[in-house]
Amino acid sequence: DADVTQTPRNRITKTGKRIMLECSQTKGHDRMYWYRQDPGLGLRLIYYSFDVKDINKGEISDGYSVSRQAQAKFSLSLESAIPNQTALYFCATSDPRVNGYTFGSGTRLTVV
Amino acid sequence: RKEVEQDPGPFNVPEGATVAFNCTYSNSASQSFFWYRQDCRKEPKLLMSVYSSGNEDGRFTAQLNRASQYISLLIRDSKLSDSATYLCVVNKLQGDKIIFGKGTRLHILP
Repeated sequence: DADVTQTPRNRITKTGKRIMLECSQTKGHDRMYWYRQDPGLGLRLIYYSFDVKDINKGEISDGYSVSRQAQAKFSLSLESAIPNQTALYFCATSDPRVNGYTFGSGTRLTVV
Repeated sequence: RKEVEQDPGPFNVPEGATVAFNCTYSNSASQSFFWYRQDCRKEPKLLMSVYSSGNEDGRFTAQLNRASQYISLLIRDSKLSDSATYLCVVNKLQGDKIIFGKGTRLHILP
């Protein structure tokens, strides 16, 4: 099983729909992150959480919300999806004592 | 100046050649540096950390130049499987959020 699992892998949704992307991890890391990746724009941080009671906005949080249900689970919601939220979304975890992030395999979201 | 800048490429390099690319960073307080590799439509994966003294892992060599605020990645005897996007990553403090560059695309040509 993957250390960081994202569901769904692919999703097509309509404008205005609410959608949730889920992320779970077996690394035991406290820190979790949501990024989106667009061609030419690289990875941009949406939200991050350093423990279960901690939620922080990243550089592009507008239109998104998150929930840290447990140490192992961090979900991203689009309250009312719009076409410019079409992107590849990655969840990641990290341990401050160890270098490097571990990424999930990504969710490809298309908003039509 | 952007926090982390990379030449987007693509670098088109014949198999077996040596290729190098740099990444510049703007914050002189940056402490940790990494190279990640990302294959098309896949997640980024840690390739190697970059240490002040430089480090080598097989055909890959990473170096840090603090005075000029850049890191470099050298790939020797390039393989077709090296084709990917290479992301430069920087953070200011151990355990802090990291900053990703937009990546340099590398195509190894047969």
